[in-house]
Amino acid sequence: AQSVAQPEDQVNVAEGNPLTVKCTYSVSGNPYLFWYVQYPNRGLQFLLKYITGDNLVKGSYGFEAEFNKSQTSFHLKKPSALVSDSALYFCAVRDGISSGSARQLTFGSGTQLTVLP
Amino acid sequence: EPEVTQTPSHQVTQMGQEVILRCVPISNHLYFYWYRQILGQKVEFLVSFYNNEISEKSEIFDDQFSVERPDGSNFTLKIRSTKLEDSAMYFCASSERATRRAETQYFGPGTRLLVL
Repeated sequence: AQSVAQPEDQVNVAEGNPLTVKCTYSVSGNPYLFWYVQYPNRGLQFLLKYITGDNLVKGSYGFEAEFNKSQTSFHLKKPSALVSDSALYFCAVRDGISSGSARQLTFGSGTQLTVLP
Repeated sequence: EPEVTQTPSHQVTQMGQEVILRCVPISNHLYFYWYRQILGQKVEFLVSFYNNEISEKSEIFDDQFSVERPDGSNFTLKIRSTKLEDSAMYFCASSERATRRAETQYFGPGTRLLVL
């Protein structure tokens, strides 16, 4: 079974400071990892993903995430936070094993990011 | 940029009534999904659909739920007899092809279902 943990319900950061939103995962095979962002009353917007290759993945709006296999982590980062980055962030994982057609994503519980002006 | 669309945005229904939630996936996508998010909780997988049949379903997706692709563009989720606990935001998603690289699921804006 696959699972995702986002240990922080809430992260507050001052505008202009770097931000990190943490995510750890558990899968049987190689992980496919995703970050989505949800603004109030909106759907889930794709930010970035790790499938294979470079451990540092760059995505939309200046976000990046670092895949760390030994720590089974995929933390979301941004060098300089904006007030407009305030939203709910979800980490998601699916098992990359090729057998079967399993493509369901398992989501973490979400981290509310608040960027203070 | 192509988007997944969902209708209605909000639906209020009485317990025991049937509801149909509609989705239009991105046009060249082949995999379709329904997820739900009960208020304040995680996004949960319900079902995936490929080649006109269900690929996977979760324990939540019991006999009260069904999915259909009635034509070349729509993908629907039907709840036959709604319960109070079905109140949630329902998200439709689609992904492009059955290849490793094309694994991104794109989500619609959701339908907020309230069962009274």
